[in-house]
Amino acid sequence: DTVLTQSPALAVSPGERVTISCKASESVSTRMHWYQQKPGQQPKLLIYKASNLASGVPARFSGSGSGTDFTLTIDPVEADDTATYFCQQSWNGPPTFGGGTKLELK
Amino acid sequence: EVQLVESGGGLVQPGRSLKLSCLASGFTFSNYGMNWIRQAPGKGLEWVASISSSSSYIYYADTVKGRFTISRDNAKNTLYLQMTSLRSEDTALYYCARHVNWENYFDYWGQGVMVTVSS
Repeated sequence: DTVLTQSPALAVSPGERVTISCKASESVSTRMHWYQQKPGQQPKLLIYKASNLASGVPARFSGSGSGTDFTLTIDPVEADDTATYFCQQSWNGPPTFGGGTKLELK
Repeated sequence: EVQLVESGGGLVQPGRSLKLSCLASGFTFSNYGMNWIRQAPGKGLEWVASISSSSSYIYYADTVKGRFTISRDNAKNTLYLQMTSLRSEDTALYYCARHVNWENYFDYWGQGVMVTVSS
């Protein structure tokens, strides 16, 4: 199965720009998707197919990348963005998720 | 408004069975593939199983293959997960999630139902 690696945690100040990375163990083309999970809630789709904004998601969120390296960018970060962010691939075999990056605000 | 509401979770002993349900509303259920995805306490997400809109295609994670069965009743707008031979490592919050046809990403998720396997 394709392994997705994310850094475990980040801390930023409101108003800053933050990039969250996801590295795949093999190419996933552009079939990388991003989810936001706030404490006690279900995951919410943010970005699909690497760079497409899901319905209702603020334009502060954007995604980029192809092959094995992908990035989720939030600019500017707001207090409400405190959450864990997961990447997920759908190119190779069963869908797999990264371990998640916990975003904390200073 | 799309809604997915899971039910059927609880505490169960190892080796026993449990059946989860997910009632869908706000969209044409029979047009979409559906999935079960789980999250162990404090852990990440693990895809468990998927079923196509007409039940023609069914897939399982290796960790549950042979023990879990995904099914659906389009007349009742309901997705199911029959879980047998449960193990402690199956303890998790189980989400049902809709996937976009021919694309394996999940655009709507339920709130989840907890399954605890313990003696």
